[in-house]
Amino acid sequence: GESVGLHLPTLSVQEGDNSIINCAYSNSASDYFIWYKQESGKGPQFIIDIRSNMDKRQGQRVTVLLNKTVKHLSLQIAATQPGDSAVYFCAENIGRTGGFKTIFGAGTRLFVKA
Amino acid sequence: EPEVTQTPSHQVTQMGQEVILRCVPISNHLYFYWYRQILGQKVEFLVSFYNNEISEKSEIFDDQFSVERPDGSNFTLKIRSTKLEDSAMYFCASQGQSSYEQYFGPGTRLTVT
Repeated sequence: GESVGLHLPTLSVQEGDNSIINCAYSNSASDYFIWYKQESGKGPQFIIDIRSNMDKRQGQRVTVLLNKTVKHLSLQIAATQPGDSAVYFCAENIGRTGGFKTIFGAGTRLFVKA
Repeated sequence: EPEVTQTPSHQVTQMGQEVILRCVPISNHLYFYWYRQILGQKVEFLVSFYNNEISEKSEIFDDQFSVERPDGSNFTLKIRSTKLEDSAMYFCASQGQSSYEQYFGPGTRLTVT
């Protein structure tokens, strides 16, 4: 079936520590995954993406890991800052022609303690 | 930096009324999306639109919903007869041709009373 979910609803970390947010997906046919950040009162904001032919991708302070064997996706944020406090969603894109169908997970709220 | 805009920011309507939510995507983008988010819940896909037709739609997007790109600039979502459970934030997103990255607007909060 089509479902993307998250292991933990909330995560609290100390400023400067690394954060790891996890996600499980069930559609083995999906070939593109995205992490979004949503701050209060705003729309989702793209953070980083990864294709299924990769197992790791790095951005600025963020790394996404993909384990297709166990259908697991994670987002690692290095040196977490107060501005990283938000809800993080993983999502998968289904469809190849025209527009996608993007399935979001349930979200993890990240709290950064100063 | 180009951004997606949405109007109105908040719409209050009575049950059974029609509403039209408006979006102006980024100008050179070709793919358009509508999502909704009930308060405190995850973002739910409604529909994707490309080349003047629907590409994908979810189970939520029934015949009470329709989308239109009336003038090559705006992208609208119409709900014909609103229900209480349609109350949510509605986000529009657009995507360019060279990337899969979707850019989201700030949302319209729809309240059905």
